[in-house]
Amino acid sequence: GAVVSQHPSWVICKSGTSVKIECRSLDFQATTMFWYRQFPKQSLMLMATSNEGSKATYEQGVEKDKFLINHASLTLSTLTVTSAHPEDSSFYICSARGDYNNEQFFGPGTRLTVL
Amino acid sequence: GNSVTQMEGPVTLSEEAFLTINCTYTATGYPSLFWYVQYPGEGLQLLLKATKADDKGSNKGFEATYRKETTSFHLEKGSVQVSDSAVYFCALSDRGYSTLTFGKGTMLLVSP
Repeated sequence: GAVVSQHPSWVICKSGTSVKIECRSLDFQATTMFWYRQFPKQSLMLMATSNEGSKATYEQGVEKDKFLINHASLTLSTLTVTSAHPEDSSFYICSARGDYNNEQFFGPGTRLTVL
Repeated sequence: GNSVTQMEGPVTLSEEAFLTINCTYTATGYPSLFWYVQYPGEGLQLLLKATKADDKGSNKGFEATYRKETTSFHLEKGSVQVSDSAVYFCALSDRGYSTLTFGKGTMLLVSP
């Protein structure tokens, strides 16, 4: 099946710094990528949807200036958490979807801890 | 808006026991329903799906039936294995796969 990777798998940073998380589709071209956030014992919450070469569409309540999403190629999307604060600590999951069917393929997630 | 409610875990079973994980939903229109599984250290994988009322999705011995009258999509397996230990997410979409709404996930722990 289709494989999606995320890097890093976990990251610890200081408050006020920025962190970039990469999401890659390894064996297919992802025209659309999705970014989710998951709190402990909570469901996955969609943060934004990005289509290759265009601006991301953010869900209500998600700060687009804080969570910068770039989808510059058909195999890579990045999420940058700018000026991170402890409340941004969470598990971030991406998914990718190609053109051949509508299924979303998920990455393994990135655990972000902001001190 | 759309929402998915599934039973809290962890669900702890012995090998070969019968499994049921309840899932109910609230949605406008006629959503598609999904079960995803997340094994430790891996991404979510689609386990099964159903796109209309009375459809039964099945895969790897798991099955779930789309019940419109009870707005439910309970996951069942007749005989679980240790390798089934994972977190199971119920989800719905009312726009194909474009937007998924997830439940909180239910951890299943199967002991030998």
